[in-house]
Order: sequence, then structure tokens, then C-alpha cells
Amino acid sequence: NAGVTQTPKFRVLKTGQSMTLLCAQDMNHEYMYWYRQDPGMGLRLIHYSVGEGTTAKGEVPDGYNVSRLKKQNFLLGLESAAPSQTSVYFCASSLWRTTDTQYFGPGTRLTVL
Amino acid sequence: GESVGLHLPTLSVQEGDNSIINCAYSNSASDYFIWYKQESGKGPQFIIDIRSNMDKRQGQRVTVLLNKTVKHLSLQIAATQPGDSAVYFCAESASGGGADGLTFGKGTHLIIQP
Repeated sequence: NAGVTQTPKFRVLKTGQSMTLLCAQDMNHEYMYWYRQDPGMGLRLIHYSVGEGTTAKGEVPDGYNVSRLKKQNFLLGLESAAPSQTSVYFCASSLWRTTDTQYFGPGTRLTVL
Repeated sequence: GESVGLHLPTLSVQEGDNSIINCAYSNSASDYFIWYKQESGKGPQFIIDIRSNMDKRQGQRVTVLLNKTVKHLSLQIAATQPGDSAVYFCAESASGGGADGLTFGKGTHLIIQP
């Protein structure tokens, strides 16, 4: 049982490039989330999903898109990366409601030059 | 604004002493609270949670206290060890609230002195 995994662990992009971050969970959780974490700040919710085929916006959704084609996977896309998107990205999942305990992945450190 | 905050951004304690990390919240509708531990370069790790129908909950070397009257949450770590060095986040949620789910505080950095 690997829990929540994320790929890649590190990535450097140039402004305007695109990329996709992959999150996978093997706990059969319904809910999945993408957060970003910036120095001195708490976790901020980007997008989340309440089940396969669904997505919803969080606190800071601009510049990101997501997809949940399979229950166990949640993808975060950056279509045209900007330096302001330099951050550490965390994926999380919870069994049911958004208010249930969330279990986090190890994070992806993204730098946009 | 942020509804969950911490009184001290950094807490330094001697190895073997007890640590107390505090958290204040402002949403009186919050009824579920979690403490997470985040070590350098890793994702947040669940430590302990408490629901609003309880005042205290104990785990292994950790205790969470909830004071709903003053909207205050604390995490007590007994006999701190070097491995306890990390940033600790509190998070809150209201079960009847919106889909945003958990609201996280900025974190307290716990430093263990040898």
C-alpha cells in the first residue's frame, strides 16, 4: 500500500511551457485534491475532485486545469507556466467528504524560469 | 482572511521536554480539527484529529486539546525527540460548510535542541 504518490518529484520549466503532474492513490479514496505550498504560507487548495469524472475549483485555480479520468488518478496541468507558479505542489486524498482526514503525497517541486 | 492561525511561528525546546504548539481558529462552525506534521522535503503527515464533541484526545506521545469557548486548539508532544523537529500545521473544517474542506494554518516550526 503506497498511499499517495506523485510524479515527478522535481521539474524546471521555462515560462510558457506546459506540463502535467500526476497523482495516484491506492486507498480507494473518493476525494482528491491539489494544493500548492509557498514559503511562509500554508497550503492553498487549487482544485479538487469528489469522484471519478468530477472536478471543482478551489481557492487558487487560475492557470491550472485538472482531470480525474480514473478514480485512482488526479492530474494537474499547467498549460502556460508562469514564474508565479513556482511552488511545491501536494496532492492529497480522503475517503469521503472534504472534511475527512486528508492523506498527502510527497510533493513536486516546480520551478518556472 | 485566514481562519486558522498559530501564535508562534517557531518553537525551540530541549530534547526530552514537553512541547506545546498552539492554534487559534475563528470559524465557530468548525467541528473537526487535525494536526499535521511536515518534515523538510516531505508532504504533511497526519498526527491526530479531534471532533468538536470532545475536549481532549490522546495518541502516542501526543495530546490534542480543544477549547471551543475561546476557539483554541493545542498539540502537546511529550518527551520530545530529535525526530519531532518539523513544521506542525493545524487544520479545521466545518462538516456543514463548503466544499473547500480543510483550512490550514501557516504552521509552527518546532526545533529540538540537544
